[in-house]
Amino acid sequence: NAGVTQTPKFRILKIGQSMTLQCTQDMNHNYMYWYRQDPGMGLKLIYYSVGAGITDKGEVPNGYNVSRSTTEDFPLRLELAAPSQTSVYFCASSADGGNTIYFGEGSWLTVV
Amino acid sequence: AQSVTQPDIHITVSEGASLELRCNYSYGATPYLFWYVQSPGQGLQLLLKYFSGDTLVQGIKGFEAEFKRSQSSFNLRKPSVHWSDAAEYFCAVVGDSNYQLIWGAGTKLIIKP
Repeated sequence: NAGVTQTPKFRILKIGQSMTLQCTQDMNHNYMYWYRQDPGMGLKLIYYSVGAGITDKGEVPNGYNVSRSTTEDFPLRLELAAPSQTSVYFCASSADGGNTIYFGEGSWLTVV
Repeated sequence: AQSVTQPDIHITVSEGASLELRCNYSYGATPYLFWYVQSPGQGLQLLLKYFSGDTLVQGIKGFEAEFKRSQSSFNLRKPSVHWSDAAEYFCAVVGDSNYQLIWGAGTKLIIKP
């Protein structure tokens, strides 16, 4: 049972480069989320989606974009990487909004 | 606006001792509250949640939490910790939108042998 799978697990980017963090879930959840976790700061919501074709900004959306063309996939795009985007990124999903959220194992991104 | 405060950044406890991790929230209505645990290098796993009813909630791994409305608290407890409990613990509350969780900054639990 795969749950929430995100790739890559580790990545180093140069300033100005672009990349996409992939996220897929096999639980048929409608709600999906992208969080970033900085040391001592807890989790900050970047973007979320309540279903295929619907996305919305969270607390810290600047510098990121998302799409939700299918129920399973919710990729996160960094267009022009900046050092401030060095963080751990978590994709998550839930069946019913704020109820139990299932997390991927995280993607460690360093921008140099 | 809703907020969650975990006053302790780090807590060190001896193996076998009891544990209490503090969580205070700010929310006008009846909150939906959660505790998650994050082991090193891993994602977050739900320990327990409170939506309504009995204010003492039992979770996985022997954890429990008590909702106290008068104190705006939802403290996590365990009677006897094990070395495998060393992790970071996050408290969260559902926000107004009902789509989002508002997270505390986390408490890192260190277990002394």
